[in-house]
Amino acid sequence: DAGVTQSPTHLIKTRGQHVTLRCSPISGHKSVSWYQQVLGQGPQFIFQYYEKEERGRGNFPDRFSARQFPNYSSELNVNALLLGDSALYLCASSYGTGAEKLFFGSGTQLSVL
Amino acid sequence: EDQVTQSPEALRLQEGESSSLNCSYTVSGLRGLFWYRQDPGKGPEFLFTLYSAGEEKEKERLKATLTKKESFLHITAPKPEDSATYLCAPGGTGANNLFFGTGTRLTVIP
Repeated sequence: DAGVTQSPTHLIKTRGQHVTLRCSPISGHKSVSWYQQVLGQGPQFIFQYYEKEERGRGNFPDRFSARQFPNYSSELNVNALLLGDSALYLCASSYGTGAEKLFFGSGTQLSVL
Repeated sequence: EDQVTQSPEALRLQEGESSSLNCSYTVSGLRGLFWYRQDPGKGPEFLFTLYSAGEEKEKERLKATLTKKESFLHITAPKPEDSATYLCAPGGTGANNLFFGTGTRLTVIP
């Protein structure tokens, strides 16, 4: 079975631009979570979506938004990019919304110049 | 405020030299303590979930234990392929989000 897939794998943008990252969860998983991982740090929670509804939001500015589609895939959008947004963006899927193990994709490495 | 601290930040071991990694946490309403392994440029890979103090789980050369304030990841006779960053993440009462520590970067030298 395919794992969590993310696209693109790498992305280079300039300050002020907008970016969209995509994620397809494991088949049968209805929950998608997004995490930001800055070099040398652990992943930091951004959003969780379940059945197309936002179920949780981390401490990130409104420039960050996300949505989930009927097929459970998800997009993370970041507007007005800042240099500090450079990071590895990880998508994780799970079946439900409880404290259960997450299956992570390999991430999208975003560089903002 | 939820907090998690992992130590040491980095650890170099000779192949076969056993050691332990520590994860200290303060989380309201702990709903599981998760351990992940992360290789460079990849997403975290699930290792264990521990739910209650006294619980232990093992997988190959790894054993995870849990107390009310700490979790330990014991590595017995490590091999070079065990080199990775090990992340612990307490799960709280909020949405299914995990509060990750900064990790311990383990290097096992042949």
